[in-house]
Amino acid sequence: DAGVIQSPRHEVTEMGQEVTLRCKLISGHNSLFWYRQTMMRGLELLIYFNNNVPIDDSGMPEDRFSAKMPNASFSTLKIQPSEPRDSAVYFCASRLGGNKEAFFGQGTRLTVV
Amino acid sequence: AQTVTQSQPEMSVQEAETVTLSCTYDTSENNYYLFWYKQPPSRQMILVIRQEAYKQQNATENRFSVNFQKAAKSFSLKISDSQLGDTAMYFCAFVTIQGAQKLVFGQGTRLTINP
Repeated sequence: DAGVIQSPRHEVTEMGQEVTLRCKLISGHNSLFWYRQTMMRGLELLIYFNNNVPIDDSGMPEDRFSAKMPNASFSTLKIQPSEPRDSAVYFCASRLGGNKEAFFGQGTRLTVV
Repeated sequence: AQTVTQSQPEMSVQEAETVTLSCTYDTSENNYYLFWYKQPPSRQMILVIRQEAYKQQNATENRFSVNFQKAAKSFSLKISDSQLGDTAMYFCAFVTIQGAQKLVFGQGTRLTINP
């Protein structure tokens, strides 16, 4: 299995532009997490899906952020409009079942200038 | 709400020494899992070790072992015979078996192994 695949690996965009981050889950996994990592705040959970349904989005910073799972193996995290404070590394992670370890993608480093 | 606390932002030891990273957590649940993840400079998050709360025996994976104290809600990671490749950020994480089942992380400890 190729593992969790995120794209792009790096993204540089101008303030105000729309940014879409993509994540492909490991085949058969049914839970998905989106995390944001910064030096100041560490690893923050943004949103968590189980069986394609958002279970907890309390970590989503504001309405500029949205996440979807159009099917069981794919997810997007969209920021519109982007701001410099959104600059961070964004990780997605998938797992099988409700209590097992999560497997992480390699992250997308987002820079908003 | 479940929280995970790592009280050591940074640690540094000499190669071949043993080092222990601390982690405490807060939950009202009785059944849960605990994990230690490693994040080397490559930024990939790698699972190091996992502990089920219902097991009294501490988990061990080669040079990595944990000291799980359920009553104290403590979950420390011991690295024996440390190697240069162990240099990384280490994150403690927690997930409940019932309820929300969110995977919650601590702030991390930056570990440097010196030659």
